Amino acid sequence: NAGVTQTPKFQVLKTGQSMTLQCAQDMNHEYMSWYRQDPGMGLRLIHYSVGAGITDQGEVPNGYNVSRSTTEDFPLRLLSAAPSQTSVYFCASSYSKVGARLNEQFFGPGTRLTVL
Amino acid sequence: RKEVEQDPGPFNVPEGATVAFNCTYSNSASQSFFWYRQDCRKEPKLLMSVYSSGNEDGRFTAQLNRASQYISLLIRDSKLSDSATYLCVVTLSGYALNFGKGTSLLVTP
Repeated sequence: NAGVTQTPKFQVLKTGQSMTLQCAQDMNHEYMSWYRQDPGMGLRLIHYSVGAGITDQGEVPNGYNVSRSTTEDFPLRLLSAAPSQTSVYFCASSYSKVGARLNEQFFGPGTRLTVL
Repeated sequence: RKEVEQDPGPFNVPEGATVAFNCTYSNSASQSFFWYRQDCRKEPKLLMSVYSSGNEDGRFTAQLNRASQYISLLIRDSKLSDSATYLCVVTLSGYALNFGKGTSLLVTP
């Protein structure tokens, strides 16, 4: 199993550009999420999904969109990039039945995004 | 006030030392508790879950005090390879992890 994969590993954008960060997992996990990690801030939840067709907002959702059309994929879209979105983005997945206790989350290797 | 608070360190300890990290959380309804480890510029990885009765995994011992809303991690006989950032993680609903900012550990020869 490849686990959780993320592409690209690095990206530089100009202010106002849009792009999609890709995340895929091959573990048949129901739960997937996106976090951003900034120096001195820790990881913060952007959006999450408890299954295909279901998404919800986390702590810092503004400026980001997600969709979950399949169990495997959970892309994160930046609509109009801003310098404040410069960060490291981690995708994570977990096996979890709805309403049950969340199990170990597996993280992807991260995407390092710089917005100029 | 952030939901999960940790001493950022850094903790610099010699090989073989015992070191303890503490963490406090603000929401008394929190349900699940974890310690994750993150190496420099890498993704976080689960180190261990934390149970009310306390639990041990080799050189690592985790404790939870619900009354005080306090979590601890004890590392015995520190190894060079233990150098990393240790993240205290708390979840209320089970679907959203709340991360502390992490405690940095450097184990020196």
